[in-house]
Parts: sequence; structure tokens; C-alpha cells
Amino acid sequence: GDSVTQMEGPVTLSEEAFLTINCTYTATGYPSLFWYVQYPGEGLQLLLKATKADDKGSNKGFEATYRKETTSFHLEKGSVQVSDSAVYFCALSETDSWGKLQFGAGTQVVVTP
Amino acid sequence: SAVISQKPSRDICQRGTSLTIQCQVDSQVTMMFWYRQQPGQSLTLIATANQGSEATYESGFVIDKFPISRPNLTFSTLTVSNMSPEDSSIYLCSGGQGVPSGELFFGEGSRLTVL
Repeated sequence: GDSVTQMEGPVTLSEEAFLTINCTYTATGYPSLFWYVQYPGEGLQLLLKATKADDKGSNKGFEATYRKETTSFHLEKGSVQVSDSAVYFCALSETDSWGKLQFGAGTQVVVTP
Repeated sequence: SAVISQKPSRDICQRGTSLTIQCQVDSQVTMMFWYRQQPGQSLTLIATANQGSEATYESGFVIDKFPISRPNLTFSTLTVSNMSPEDSSIYLCSGGQGVPSGELFFGEGSRLTVL
């Protein structure tokens, strides 16, 4: 079945550092890929998404590119802020399964001043 | 966008009891789902809440254990029946319009601890 693997946390960074969170997937079809973020005390929010190969999703300075050849969707941000401290989840859904997400384990990111 | 509210936000329950979680969306949504996040683990889909009919359960989840209702397009409930400590989890309600470009919105979750 489908699965998502993302790097374990916690990831601790200083402010203005470069952030990368690796995410790879296995899927039988052509899934859509997502990054969700959960800030402390809040619910899950969609951060960005990509629906086909080579698409780049971007939001709030974060980017991720759908790489079919490497089955990856790594999340990057060039300069993190303390406010980016959160848990980040990589997820996928198959084309005919809207809303049915397969999540990775989540990566906690801690940004220090 | 849609704002999803869940009640209770957290509860401590005794083994063998049942608890119903309510999910209210501030606008009509086509699709609603329930997810579970067990301690230290990722989110797992429990079921699709279908308006006016029986929910569709994922493998490993059954109606007797997790009965779900969805009487209209803005409200759903999930009951965790005959609870055991293994049911201690965060239960999340989600919803959206079900269109390819549409976003799936999540509630803040209901954290249940079973003693």
C-alpha cells in the first residue's frame, strides 16, 4: 500500500538557518502530495501541495517540488524564524481518494533565537 | 475556508465507557473524515462520514467500535465505544469540498486518555 517516510525529529535550528525536511513516498498511482503544519496548540493546516510531477508548491517561504523520479517531496525554507517552530507532516492522497491522506510520522522543528 | 470545532478538546475516561466527540463546521462541506493520532505516531484515517448514511470505514476500524453519525453537511459525531487504554489518542475531524483544488481542513483534535 501507499506510504510516506519523513525524517525523524526533532530538528533544532538557529534563526535564519536553512531548513530541509526529507520526505519520500511509495504509491501505486499518481498521488497528490502535501505538507501540513501543526503549530503549538493549534490544528493541522495545509502548508503547500503539488498535484503532479515537477510541480512546485510554495507558501510562507517554504517550497517543495514533486519529484516522481526519486519519489520525493522535500520541504525547504531558506531562512527560518522562531515562528516556524512546529510539527511538519508530509502526506499523500491518491487521485480517486480526495481527503483520504496517508501521513508521514511528522517532524518537529525547533527554531531558537 | 472552513473552521472546524471539536468538543471535547480533551477528556479522561474510564476503561469500558464510551465517549462521543462532536465536530461542527462553520460552513457546508461535501466531505468529512475522522482521523486518529496515537501517541508518538502519525495520523491514520478511521472513516469517511457520509451524510445521511453509514460511514465508510478503513481497514482495521469497525462500526461497532467507532460509530459515526453525520446528519447534515456541517456536523458529525464519532463515538469511541467500550474504551481501553489502547484507545488513548487524539481524534481529529476534517472536512472539505472534495474538489481537486480544494483544501482539507482539520479541527484541533480531541485528546482522549483512557485509564
